[in-house]
Amino acid sequence: EVQLVESGGGLVQPGVSLRLSCEASGFTFSSYWMHWVRQAPGKGLVWVSRINGDGTSSSYADSVKGRFTISRDNAKYTVYLQMNSLRSEDTAVYYCARAASTTAAGIGGYWGQGTLVTVSS
Amino acid sequence: EIVLTQSPATLSLSPGERATLSCRASQSLSSYLAWYQQKPGQAPRLLIYDASNRATGIPARFSGSGSGTDFTLTISSLEPEDSAVYYCQQRPNWPYTFGQGTKLEIK
Repeated sequence: EVQLVESGGGLVQPGVSLRLSCEASGFTFSSYWMHWVRQAPGKGLVWVSRINGDGTSSSYADSVKGRFTISRDNAKYTVYLQMNSLRSEDTAVYYCARAASTTAAGIGGYWGQGTLVTVSS
Repeated sequence: EIVLTQSPATLSLSPGERATLSCRASQSLSSYLAWYQQKPGQAPRLLIYDASNRATGIPARFSGSGSGTDFTLTISSLEPEDSAVYYCQQRPNWPYTFGQGTKLEIK
């Protein structure tokens, strides 16, 4: 059974850093693109970042480019999102999600339960 | 960036009725459009991928159609548990944008 479990969220002050983790199980982790998607309270879904299977290619939404870094450790079946210089507008539930297949980058039907990041003084 | 516009913003229907949700893209997506259902406090659930293919375990009352720039999600006979927000999402072009959502209320 595919499972994705996020962790690392919490309440932080503006300007600080936070690292989110997403531990995967139930599939060959290194074969899939992985994604981070966020949802601000009461708002819609926004793609944040993606990374390919071997970690050599990544992309970011303009709103986080230069501040967030996605990475992965295939030995630990874990994808990370390093978030620096956090702003109040980064407050959201952050979901990790898996690509639909090993041959496509686009997201599929497997999502974690989300972890809440609150940026506030 | 491709913009997805969903309509209506809110839909209020009774059990057994048919729901029709629309998603319009700012440029052609071919058939690369997905639909998700999200209930409060839960992660999104994939309903439809590639415009018309039901995801695993999705009831047959959910169907998708369309191509190019105009897409439709149809729920043929509403159940109380279909109350949720529905999002469309495109994946041919990064960033993989979502529509703003349609809130479906079951009376």
